[in-house]
Amino acid sequence: QITLKESGPTPVKPTQTLTLTCTFSGFSLRTSGVGVGWFRQPPGKALEWLALIYWDDDKRYSPSLESRLTITKDTSKNQVVLTMTNMDPVDTATYYCALRGQESSGYYYDAFDIWGQGTMVTVSS
Amino acid sequence: QSALTQPASVSGSPGQSITISCTGTSSDVGSFNLVSWYQQHPGKAPKLMIYEGNKRPSGVSNRFSGSKSGNTASLTISGLQAEDEADYYCCSYAGSSRAWVFGGGTKLTVL
Repeated sequence: QITLKESGPTPVKPTQTLTLTCTFSGFSLRTSGVGVGWFRQPPGKALEWLALIYWDDDKRYSPSLESRLTITKDTSKNQVVLTMTNMDPVDTATYYCALRGQESSGYYYDAFDIWGQGTMVTVSS
Repeated sequence: QSALTQPASVSGSPGQSITISCTGTSSDVGSFNLVSWYQQHPGKAPKLMIYEGNKRPSGVSNRFSGSKSGNTASLTISGLQAEDEADYYCCSYAGSSRAWVFGGGTKLTVL
């Protein structure tokens, strides 16, 4: 069974750096094709993609947030970590991590099939 | 890259069919067969309903189908059921920026 769970601090003060951890089980980020992404959703608003890391350490970032984001993986701990610098109240949101989808044939596709429950991050002084 | 454009809301009666549109550009929806659709119930994580434009993950009802024409993708739900009432988001790969972009979401109300 594949599971992902997000964790992180709340509240976070403006200008601080946020560090979020996605701890997963049931798959390995050493396996070819695997990718884990981060997303967020402000209260009452739309989903937003933030970043993605692949098994081969290829990394992708949202162009609008790239200067503030860093995504890394720790395969020994089964974790993906996202850091976001210079936090602002507009960054208040539920943050999710999710696994790149895979068909039963083994083919990986570019959508996100299994999601964590999300962690709410509030930015406030 | 800009967000994809979806209608804010759609509604339908049980048993009817509805279609939600998702309009992008030639840099995202129009260039790649990589549109996905997510269903989200209040307070819950998103659930993948369609990937690569028209494929359903295992376990997703065949009442859900996807299509694309030019820069616009569509999600059709047939035989509407009460449990389909949720927010729906489209998402597309945007190759020029090597990024994924979401739509603003559509609230489906089952009357």
